[in-house]
Amino acid sequence: DADVTQTPRNRITKTGKRIMLECSQTKGHDRMYWYRQDPGLGLRLIYYSFDVKDINKGEISDGYSVSRQAQAKFSLSLESAIPNQTALYFCATGGGASDEQFFGPGTRLTVL
Amino acid sequence: EDQVTQSPEALRLQEGESSSLNCSYTVSGLRGLFWYRQDPGKGPEFLFTLYSAGEEKEKERLKATLTKKESFLHITAPKPEDSATYLCAVQAARAAGNKLTFGGGTRVLVKP
Repeated sequence: DADVTQTPRNRITKTGKRIMLECSQTKGHDRMYWYRQDPGLGLRLIYYSFDVKDINKGEISDGYSVSRQAQAKFSLSLESAIPNQTALYFCATGGGASDEQFFGPGTRLTVL
Repeated sequence: EDQVTQSPEALRLQEGESSSLNCSYTVSGLRGLFWYRQDPGKGPEFLFTLYSAGEEKEKERLKATLTKKESFLHITAPKPEDSATYLCAVQAARAAGNKLTFGGGTRVLVKP
């Protein structure tokens, strides 16, 4: 089974709708991250969390919110989706003394 | 502001034709430089972490090297299964949340 899972894998929605993307991990890591990937722009950090009570904004947090429901779960919400939020969204985890981050399979979100 | 630039954007190779990918970076005190491989429709897969100039790491046909300003990913005698996008990222010594800054990636296509 995958260590980092994301649901849904694909989502098409309309402008103005509320959308939630979910991430779960079985790696036991304390740090969790949400990134978005756009062609030619690389991965950009939206939010990150050290634990349930610690949530921090990344470089592109406007229009997004997050919830860390448990150590293993970190969800990303778009309160009112807009077309320029069409992108690939990745959840990642990191923990312990290791600096590496481990990524989920991604969610392809299309906002019409 | 930390910046990562990868070149070329795309690379077409014949099977067995060795080549190198470049990752140039500016960062306020490097903690680590990371290489990831990303296949279409999947999340980035961790390859290497390099911490100091002169360090090298190898995995099968891949070798990553690091200087004070750039990193190279050398692909020796590539096979079609090495086709992927290769991502480079840096982590600053004082990066909040162990944040990674990514480059735009190099798309590698290896033809048989």
